[in-house]
Amino acid sequence: DGGITQSPKYLFRKEGQNVTLSCEQNLNHDAMYWYRQDPGQGLRLIYYSQIVNDFQKGDIAEGYSVSREKKESFPLTVTSAQKNPTAFYLCASIPRAGMETQYFGPGTRLLVL
Amino acid sequence: GENVEQHPSTLSVQEGDSAVIKCTYSDSASNYFPWYKQELGKGPQLIIDIRSNVGEKKDQRIAVTLNKTAKHFSLHITETQPEDSAVYFCAASKGNYGQNFVFGPGTRLSVLP
Repeated sequence: DGGITQSPKYLFRKEGQNVTLSCEQNLNHDAMYWYRQDPGQGLRLIYYSQIVNDFQKGDIAEGYSVSREKKESFPLTVTSAQKNPTAFYLCASIPRAGMETQYFGPGTRLLVL
Repeated sequence: GENVEQHPSTLSVQEGDSAVIKCTYSDSASNYFPWYKQELGKGPQLIIDIRSNVGEKKDQRIAVTLNKTAKHFSLHITETQPEDSAVYFCAASKGNYGQNFVFGPGTRLSVLP
């Protein structure tokens, strides 16, 4: 059963805590993305990675970090420097260069305690 | 940079009626325009897309039209059904790996039985 999985579905963060959101895909897609979604707003790009061991900042990278050690995995860490982390986080992937259609995971909702 | 506007922000229609959602973009270099449907608590799903060398594309009850001169594109849903109720997002991209994707703020469509 192929697809993009994100875990957990809900995540709670305490003040000053770093939390990591998981994104895994078994589609053999080259590129992976992290978006943040706030109510009433479009998706905003946090980070993206075109190949293993390489990633680039998106429009709102401050307070976030990523790694791409394996093709199928692209975890996102929300650090304590992100002062307003409450949002719905979406991971997406694209098969290969020149193909723009993005495939999204089910999302993780992050809440601050 | 690219800016995508989307109207209306909310739309209610009676079952069986048509629904139209419009988006405008600012960057004339954008050449790929997808539409996504997002159900509550889930990731967006691609429903239809169009490239700049095409003026119209149809898939059963869904169609998209593109006016490059005016820089706007529209989603048309005919014979709406309650299961069409969701948030719809448009996006514009200049290609490559999709890092140039810019999403509209979304339209919440409600189909009333």
